[in-house]
Amino acid sequence: DADVTQTPRNRITKTGKRIMLECSQTKGHDRMYWYRQDPGLGLRLIYYSFDVKDINKGEISDGYSVSRQAQAKFSLSLESAIPNQTALYFCATGTSNEETQYFGPGTRLLVL
Amino acid sequence: SQQGEEDPQALSIQEGENATMNCSYKTSINNLQWYRQNSGRGLVHLILIRSNEREKHSGRLRVTLDTSKKSSSLLITASRAADTASYFCATLPRDSNYQLIWGAGTKLIIKP
Repeated sequence: DADVTQTPRNRITKTGKRIMLECSQTKGHDRMYWYRQDPGLGLRLIYYSFDVKDINKGEISDGYSVSRQAQAKFSLSLESAIPNQTALYFCATGTSNEETQYFGPGTRLLVL
Repeated sequence: SQQGEEDPQALSIQEGENATMNCSYKTSINNLQWYRQNSGRGLVHLILIRSNEREKHSGRLRVTLDTSKKSSSLLITASRAADTASYFCATLPRDSNYQLIWGAGTKLIIKP
């Protein structure tokens, strides 16, 4: 089984809808991250969490919110989706002792 | 804002040849990491080099770091079709609270 899973893998929604992307991990890592990837722009950090009670904004948090329900779960919500939020979204995990990050398979989101 | 910039944006070589990708960054760093992304999938960590290291090897991968020029290179020797992927550098800035800063990536195509 994959260590970092994301659901759904693909999602099509309409402008104005609220949607939630979910991430779960079995690695036991304390740190979790949400990124978005647009063609030609690499990864941009949306939100990150260093433990269950810690939530921090990243570079592009506007229009997004997150919830760290448990150490293993970190969900990303788009309150009112807009077309320029169409992107590939990745969840990643890490630890305070290790500087590398471990990625989920991604969620491809299309906002019409 | 992107810290790392990869060069070239795209590279196409014959199987068996060596592939070299470069990454430049702007601020002082703790470490620099290289990740691989197969088409549309999650990123996989390849290698990490710390600011006090100049060269590191892992299998067919060789990474160099020149902190005076704020640049790094990733060399893949004896390339294989399976090396076809996008390669990203990510830096951990010295004053960062473990937020990686990502480049836009180099798309590598290995022709059989």
